[in-house]
Amino acid sequence: QSALTQPASVSGSPGQSITISCTGTSSDVGGYTLVSWYQQHPGKAPKVIICEDNKRPSGISSRFSGSKSGNTASLTISGLQAEDEADYYCCTYASGSRIIFGGGTKLTVL
Amino acid sequence: HPQLQESGPGLVKPSETLSLSCSFSGGSIRDDNYYWGWIRQPPGKGLEWVGSIHHSGRVYYDPSLKSRVTISVDTSNNQFSLRLNSVTAADTALFYCARHLVSGDAFDIWGQGTMVTVSS
Repeated sequence: QSALTQPASVSGSPGQSITISCTGTSSDVGGYTLVSWYQQHPGKAPKVIICEDNKRPSGISSRFSGSKSGNTASLTISGLQAEDEADYYCCTYASGSRIIFGGGTKLTVL
Repeated sequence: HPQLQESGPGLVKPSETLSLSCSFSGGSIRDDNYYWGWIRQPPGKGLEWVGSIHHSGRVYYDPSLKSRVTISVDTSNNQFSLRLNSVTAADTALFYCARHLVSGDAFDIWGQGTMVTVSS
């Protein structure tokens, strides 16, 4: 399966904002309003933080926001906190009844 | 609250069949709104979708695994299962079961994951 493209790592200092990109094609990211983002801490199961491109599930901090332009989706975390240090994955439905994940991005809070 | 729990052998020999089950509690697997999926994560690597099934029997798989995978649902026991045959070391992974909406939207509930190692 061809994974969506994410940067391998990003970093930021507490209080700053960071953005993680997720690039696909018109058959996946650009073709549906179904990009979701997951946060995974070491040894833990992933947790959904953004669904349907830009919606926050109940209980998710407003510091997390999602957006999309064409075939690229983005996750922005504002007011960076130490607890945000984790791996982040994008995911989308794709044509042919497939689900595709991004390769993952490791966020380091400096 | 709704929960998923994986179960199955932690060690499988090469060329044999990996079999896992996922039990759902706190709700019904017969809910028309949801698909029930399997996702795997090789050690130190990212998430890979394996396939998903609806209680009606509708099922779809990742194309790269389709020839080796079978996902089934047991509504009477509120659980679903994964079988992956002809396994190799490359199939060693942490396997998660998870729930997502029929629309294809996010996996909103995940199991804790179960590690499966392929080794002789």
